[in-house]
Amino acid sequence: GAVVSQHPSRVICKSGTSVKIECRSLDFQATTMFWYRQFPKQSLMLMATSNEGSKATYEQGVEKDKFLINHASLTLSTLTVTSAHPEDSSFYICSADRGVYGYTFGSGTRLTVV
Amino acid sequence: SQELEQSPQSLIVQEGKNLTINCTSSKTLYGLYWYKQKYGEGLIFLMMLQKGGEEKSHEKITAKLDEKKQQSSLHITASQPSHAGIYLCGAANQGGKLIFGQGTELSVKP
Repeated sequence: GAVVSQHPSRVICKSGTSVKIECRSLDFQATTMFWYRQFPKQSLMLMATSNEGSKATYEQGVEKDKFLINHASLTLSTLTVTSAHPEDSSFYICSADRGVYGYTFGSGTRLTVV
Repeated sequence: SQELEQSPQSLIVQEGKNLTINCTSSKTLYGLYWYKQKYGEGLIFLMMLQKGGEEKSHEKITAKLDEKKQQSSLHITASQPSHAGIYLCGAANQGGKLIFGQGTELSVKP
């Protein structure tokens, strides 16, 4: 079946550095991908919608300069957390919109900023 | 904007008991999805409902969407420890964005 490969699954970075998270669709093309973050004991919050070949659209309250999204091809979307700080530590997960087939999620990335 | 309210927020049941989780939308649902998750891990797709009155079952889990397409329920029969986790309802809005309810944390006591 359709799979979205997300990497890395876990990352620890120093405060002030940037971290890139990749989501790659395998065996299908993903024109649209969604990026979510999840804090402990909370639900998934939609951060932004990534569209291939165009600028991402961000949800209210999400800083676009801090969370850079690139969707340069139909199979790859990336989220870069720039100048990460401890409060950015969270679980980040992507999802590919497969139209009538629903949504396929990556396995998530646990980011810890120290 | 569309909001999803899930209830209860947490649930502890004895193994073998039945349970129901509810998901209510402030707007008509175009598609309702149920997922299971353990925090820090990916989502496991359970079911998708689109038509008013639709009901789907898989093993011991049944999901229903009401006729008005604003409320869904997830019912687990004869719960087992393997059912423990976070259950999330998600809805696709007109723009195709998938948003989630707050989640229900289920614990099953052996």
